[in-house]
Amino acid sequence: EVQLVESGGGLVQPGGSLRLSCVASGFDFSNYYMGWVRQAPGKGLEWTARVKEDGSGEFYRDSVKGRFSISKDNAQNSLYLQMNSLRVEDTAVYFCARPVGNGYFDLWGQGTLVTVSS
Amino acid sequence: DIVMTQSPDSLAVSLGERATINCKSSQSILYSSDNKNYLAWYQQRPGQPPKLLISWASTRESGVPDRFSGSGSGTDFTLTISSLQAEDVAVYYCQEYYSTTWTFGQGTNVEIK
Repeated sequence: EVQLVESGGGLVQPGGSLRLSCVASGFDFSNYYMGWVRQAPGKGLEWTARVKEDGSGEFYRDSVKGRFSISKDNAQNSLYLQMNSLRVEDTAVYFCARPVGNGYFDLWGQGTLVTVSS
Repeated sequence: DIVMTQSPDSLAVSLGERATINCKSSQSILYSSDNKNYLAWYQQRPGQPPKLLISWASTRESGVPDRFSGSGSGTDFTLTISSLQAEDVAVYYCQEYYSTTWTFGQGTNVEIK
């Protein structure tokens, strides 16, 4: 079955760090860009970061540049998001998603909730 | 950055009636070299991840009912549900992938009247 399964969310204090993971199955992970899309509670969708097929190139939205780092381990079929210097406004469900065709998302995980609060 | 604006924010339609959602981009998302509109539509049911419905403004994904259709070009786009069913209650998002920052619209909530 083609699927993405996220883990690693939780409650963290402002200024803290968290690492999200996403395990892919059912498709050739090494042949795809991968990305993270977040959704604050009751709000819309926001593309956050993406990484090239071989993990060599990373792209971020401005609000997370310098604080978040995306990486891809093709041997483990895994995608990661290292989140540092977390802010209250980073509170969201983080979806692992597969972008295709220049950037629409054809496969999504169920999401993992990150809550940044003191 | 490209700004995507959907209208209306919320829509109540009777079962079996047509629902129309609009999406406007702040600049053209029609790429001249391939004459394609870089726009997708998603459906998000409560408590679920988004589901891709339509890509390239009008190409329906495999398995998506044909009551869903997309149209438009340049800066103005429309998602139409020709005959609303109970399972179509959801929030619908448009998304541009013309730029490098892949922006979503704010969403349109579709309910049953």
